[in-house]
Amino acid sequence: AQSVTQLGSHVSVSEGALVLLRCNYSSSVPPYLFWYVQYPNQGLQLLLKYTTGATLVKGINGFEAEFKKSETSFHLTKPSAHMSDAAEYFCAVSGRTDKLIFGTGTRLQVFP
Amino acid sequence: GAVVSQHPSWVICKSGTSVKIECRSLDFQATTMFWYRQFPKQSLMLMATSNEGSKATYEQGVEKDKFLINHASLTLSTLTVTSAHPEDSSFYICSAIPTGRGLRTSGRGEQFFGPGTRLTVL
Repeated sequence: AQSVTQLGSHVSVSEGALVLLRCNYSSSVPPYLFWYVQYPNQGLQLLLKYTTGATLVKGINGFEAEFKKSETSFHLTKPSAHMSDAAEYFCAVSGRTDKLIFGTGTRLQVFP
Repeated sequence: GAVVSQHPSWVICKSGTSVKIECRSLDFQATTMFWYRQFPKQSLMLMATSNEGSKATYEQGVEKDKFLINHASLTLSTLTVTSAHPEDSSFYICSAIPTGRGLRTSGRGEQFFGPGTRLTVL
């Protein structure tokens, strides 16, 4: 079975500051991990994913995440926040099927 | 490419009526589609897996007779909420996997989401 824990339902940063959104997972098999972004009243857009290979994954809009097996983590980072980054971010895990198990989400606020 | 649409984008209905929501993959074929439900400020909960040409697989706790899913073609899946009640009000989101490009078939894990349908039952 798989599960995802996102620490911090709300994160606030200033424009230009580092963004760090935390995600820890649990999986009985080697996981596939995803980060999605959701803007108000819209569906989800894939930011990045880890399947196999390089543990540091780069995604769209300057985001990246690192798969750390020893820490069961897949934290999302961006060096410099932009106002347009304000949205809801979801971490998700899959255990070799196409079904995604989502975390509870983290709302990112960016202040000028 | 890889666009998924949903129709309608929002719907208001009276309690006791049925509502059909369509999920279409516009520029690819999708053997598998998923239906999710999202309550305000909460995460997405998987309701069911829709497979073209076969019966949907429902997650535990989801009433299959209430949430009817039909995946009649490789580009269309429908979710019908039967005898809707106010507690069914929610944001319904579908996703679609391009045939042959899912985790099980290719390891690519591509899954594209629709924009969602907001259902309000009065």
